[in-house]
Order: sequence, then C-alpha cells, then structure tokens
Amino acid sequence: GENVEQHPSTLSVQEGDSAVIKCTYSDSASNYFPWYKQELGKRPQLIIDIRSNVGEKKDQRIAVTLNKTAKHFSLHITETQPEDSAVYFCAASSPTSGTYKYIFGTGTRLKVLA
Amino acid sequence: GAVVSQHPSWVICKSGTSVKIECRSLDFQATTMFWYRQFPKQSLMLMATSNEGSKATYEQGVEKDKFLINHASLTLSTLTVTSAHPEDSSFYICSASSGAGTGELFFGEGSRLTVL
Repeated sequence: GENVEQHPSTLSVQEGDSAVIKCTYSDSASNYFPWYKQELGKRPQLIIDIRSNVGEKKDQRIAVTLNKTAKHFSLHITETQPEDSAVYFCAASSPTSGTYKYIFGTGTRLKVLA
Repeated sequence: GAVVSQHPSWVICKSGTSVKIECRSLDFQATTMFWYRQFPKQSLMLMATSNEGSKATYEQGVEKDKFLINHASLTLSTLTVTSAHPEDSSFYICSASSGAGTGELFFGEGSRLTVL
C-alpha cells in the first residue's frame, strides 16, 4: 500500500522568510496530492493541491511542486506570517481495490517567529 | 466548500461501554467516507474506508469488531467503538470526498473520546 513520508517534523522560521516542507510517496499509481493545514483542536483544511499531470501550482504565497519520477512533492510558503503557524500534512490519493485511499504524511509543525 | 458535520465533538464514557460517532455530509452526497484516528501531535491514521451500501474496508491492524462502521446512506456514516477501553481514547475524525478519489477531502470537526 501507499506510504507517505514527510520532513521535517518541526520547522521554525522568522517572519517573512520562506518555509519548505517535503514529502515522498511510494505508490506510483497515486495521482492526487493535497496539502492540509491543521490548527490546534481544529479540523484539517485544504490549502493547496496538485494532480499528477501538473508539475507546479501556485496560489498567492503558497506553491506546490511535484516530481512524479522521483515520487516527491513539496510545499513552499513564502513571506511567512505568524498566522501560518500550524501543523501541515501532505497526503497522497492512491487507487486501491476499486476505490481511493488518502494516506497522510506524519505532519510538520511550523512555527513562524515574529 | 462542502460541509461535513461530526457529532458528538467530545464524549466521555466508562470502560466497557460503546460509543457511536456520526458523520454527515450536509450539502453533497458522499459515496465514500473515511475514518481517521489522530493521537496528540501525530498524524491522521486511516482506520477504514466506508462505502455506501457495502461493508467498510479496514486498514491493517484495525479491529473490525471493535470499530463498527456503517454507511447506510449517501450522507451518513457512523463509527461505533464497542466495549471501549482507555487505550481507545483518541481524536476520531471523519472525512468525505465529493469526487472520485481526486477531489478535496472535507473533514468533520472531529470527536474526542475519553474512556475512563
């Protein structure tokens, strides 16, 4: 089955700097890669996603890149702000037995220092 | 975006009792719902995939008889933790997708279960 690894587990950056979180996946059949932000005690919220036929996607300060050959994808946050502090999860959607499973990475706790 | 509602948001029960958690998609039909378990400061661990009108598919290591999942309609899935024990205490969160595996997952608010 699919396995998603995520690094780093924690990340501290100064306000205004960039943050990069990386994920690798194992199942070459995975074709959808979302990123979720989870604030303490709240449900995960989608912040950006990318499909397997695209190499890069950007939405204001957030961008995601995908390298299907290497089976890795990354989240880039530029001009970080204190409100970006949260736990970020990557995920891979993998078809299996006629349905799909969303497997999550281990999470990255981002702290933006003011 | 679509709305998924989960209830109850928190529950405390005695060891040996059963607890039912409901997950509803309020404004879309969810053919498939997913149940995750999240320990403090850890990731979302997929427990099972719930398909409307059929048996749930459980992940390896998840006890089918302990975590009963029912997906009776396109808008409701339930998770029942049977004969709960303190080690079952956790944050349980459901999610649903309106797409066919390549669409956004919408999460419920989550249910924090504490077993005394």
